[in-house]
Amino acid sequence: NAGVTQTPKFQVLKTGQSMTLQCAQDMNHEYMSWYRQDPGMGLRLIHYSVGAGITDQGEVPNGYNVSRSTTEDFPLRLLSAAPSQTSVYFCASTDRRDNEQFFGPGTRLTVL
Amino acid sequence: QQQVKQSPQSLIVQKGGISIINCAYENTAFDYFPWYQQFPGKGPALLIAIRPDVSEKKEGRFTISFNKSAKQFSLHIMDSQPGDSATYFCAAISGGSYIPTFGRGTSLIVHP
Repeated sequence: NAGVTQTPKFQVLKTGQSMTLQCAQDMNHEYMSWYRQDPGMGLRLIHYSVGAGITDQGEVPNGYNVSRSTTEDFPLRLLSAAPSQTSVYFCASTDRRDNEQFFGPGTRLTVL
Repeated sequence: QQQVKQSPQSLIVQKGGISIINCAYENTAFDYFPWYQQFPGKGPALLIAIRPDVSEKKEGRFTISFNKSAKQFSLHIMDSQPGDSATYFCAAISGGSYIPTFGRGTSLIVHP
């Protein structure tokens, strides 16, 4: 199993550009989440999904959109990038049997 | 509102020493308390977890101590090694949910 994969690993954007961060998991987990990690702020939840076709907002959803058309994929879209979105983004999927979260390797995003 | 408070923010320990990281929570509905370990450039990974029906759980050099009445739990790393240098996150999950509330993290450095 590849676990949780994320692409790209690094990305530089200009203010106002849009892009999609890809996330996929091959563990057949229903639950998936997106977090951003900033120094001293820990992991903050952006959006999450409890299954295909179902998404909801987390703690810091503004400026981000998600969709969940399949169990495997959970892309995160930045509609109009801002410097405040410079961060490291982690996707995670959760095994509902024991609540263990499996994180991807992260995407480091810089918005100029 | 920070529901899980983690301290210290950073910790420096000599090789062979004991590392102690503390977390406190407010929500009495939390019933699952995992700790995640994150190495630089990687995603967090589950290290050890505890449920409130026990006061302690040990896995190798890592021990969680849990005090339900005080609403506190802590991670002890015995015989700390340079390879333990990482960021550690405590988290708490309430029954019926799968979304953890994370502490802000502790950066641990173990000097050789």
